[in-house]
Amino acid sequence: KAGVTQTPRYLIKTRGQQVTLSCSPISGHRSVSWYQQTPGQGLQFLFEYFSETQRNKGNFPGRFSGRQFSNSRSEMNVSTLELGDSALYLCASSLREVSTDTQYFGPGTRLTVL
Amino acid sequence: QKEVEQDPGPLSVPEGAIVSLNCTYSNSAFQYFMWYRQYSRKGPELLMYTYSSGNKEDGRFTAQVDKSSKYISLFIRDSQPSDSATYLCAMRGAGNMLTFGGGTRLMVKP
Repeated sequence: KAGVTQTPRYLIKTRGQQVTLSCSPISGHRSVSWYQQTPGQGLQFLFEYFSETQRNKGNFPGRFSGRQFSNSRSEMNVSTLELGDSALYLCASSLREVSTDTQYFGPGTRLTVL
Repeated sequence: QKEVEQDPGPLSVPEGAIVSLNCTYSNSAFQYFMWYRQYSRKGPELLMYTYSSGNKEDGRFTAQVDKSSKYISLFIRDSQPSDSATYLCAMRGAGNMLTFGGGTRLMVKP
């Protein structure tokens, strides 16, 4: 079974621009979560989507948004980029059908904001 | 204070050593506990997943959970240079949001 895929793998943007990242979950997985990883803050939860609905949201500003499509693929958007948004953005998928379910991560998209 | 504390290391051991990695947490709502391994510039890879207090073994890896002390451990037996990576503990309550420790960087020297 193919794993979680994320595109693009690398991005370079300038301050003020916006960016869209894409995530395709493992086949059959209906939940997609997004995390930001930085050297200073580590891995932090951004939000989770399940059945095209946002189920949970972390403590990030409204510039960070996402959506999920009917085929469970998800996109994350960051508007008005700031230097501090430079990070590895990770997507994780899970079945979310049983309480003991867990999450599998993709390789990440490394975003650099200049 | 962070909800999940993890010693950042680096932890340097000789090949073949037993490695002990630990996390403490403060949130009693955490019920599910995971260990991920992350190689440089890669995504985290799930190693172990436990629910109840006690031990769980998988090959050279043993995960231990002590909910009464809010303490979890990962033991790696017969460590190999290929085990050199950052090890992240993660945990969650009833929802799907994972809370991570800061990660421990492990170096296994041949």
